[in-house]
Amino acid sequence: RKEVEQDPGPFNVPEGATVAFNCTYSNSASQSFFWYRQDCRKEPKLLMSVYSSGNEDGRFTAQLNRASQYISLLIRDSKLSDSATYLCVVKGGLAYKYIFGTGTRLKVLA
Amino acid sequence: DAGVIQSPRHEVTEMGQEVTLRCKPISGHDYLFWYRQTMMRGLELLIYFNNNVPIDDSGMPEDRFSAKMPNASFSTLKIQPSEPRDSAVYFCASSLPTSGGLAKNIQYFGAGTRLSVL
Repeated sequence: RKEVEQDPGPFNVPEGATVAFNCTYSNSASQSFFWYRQDCRKEPKLLMSVYSSGNEDGRFTAQLNRASQYISLLIRDSKLSDSATYLCVVKGGLAYKYIFGTGTRLKVLA
Repeated sequence: DAGVIQSPRHEVTEMGQEVTLRCKPISGHDYLFWYRQTMMRGLELLIYFNNNVPIDDSGMPEDRFSAKMPNASFSTLKIQPSEPRDSAVYFCASSLPTSGGLAKNIQYFGAGTRLSVL
């Protein structure tokens, strides 16, 4: 089983739609969680950190469920510019290692 | 701040040649990471340093790969000899985990080096 698993997609959604991605992780000792965004042929960039209580940044909402070991990302009112690959990232336990999921591709259609 | 700087941006070489990738982390960051990204395997951590010291190199694929960090502002990843299966995008990232607030633990990536081994 992979340490961090994501549905690779692609998710093709119309502009204005709401879309949600899930990510599961295997290490129950994981401490920090993030969503990164990666555009085609570019470097990953932080989209948002994920806090235990859940957090929102504009149209983006991230949630953490420690009991079930998954994190989620909700995008409301999708824009064409949201088209990208979304990477789930987990920082595990005592080691200072970041484990990246393979990413979920999102394509927002006009 | 200029961000994480990697060079070269693109490298095309022939099998058997030595390849050296370079990285300058963000000033003041004390962690530096090297990743490799391919379509098949996604983003894989190769090695990371803390205060210039290699902490975990378990992701380095084999002895052909080596990494150094001679000072806080420079790191290299070397492949010798290179093979076609090394073709990938290599990213360097840095972070400052001891900072407080929202910036804690965030990794900042360089633009990557796209390596093609023929």
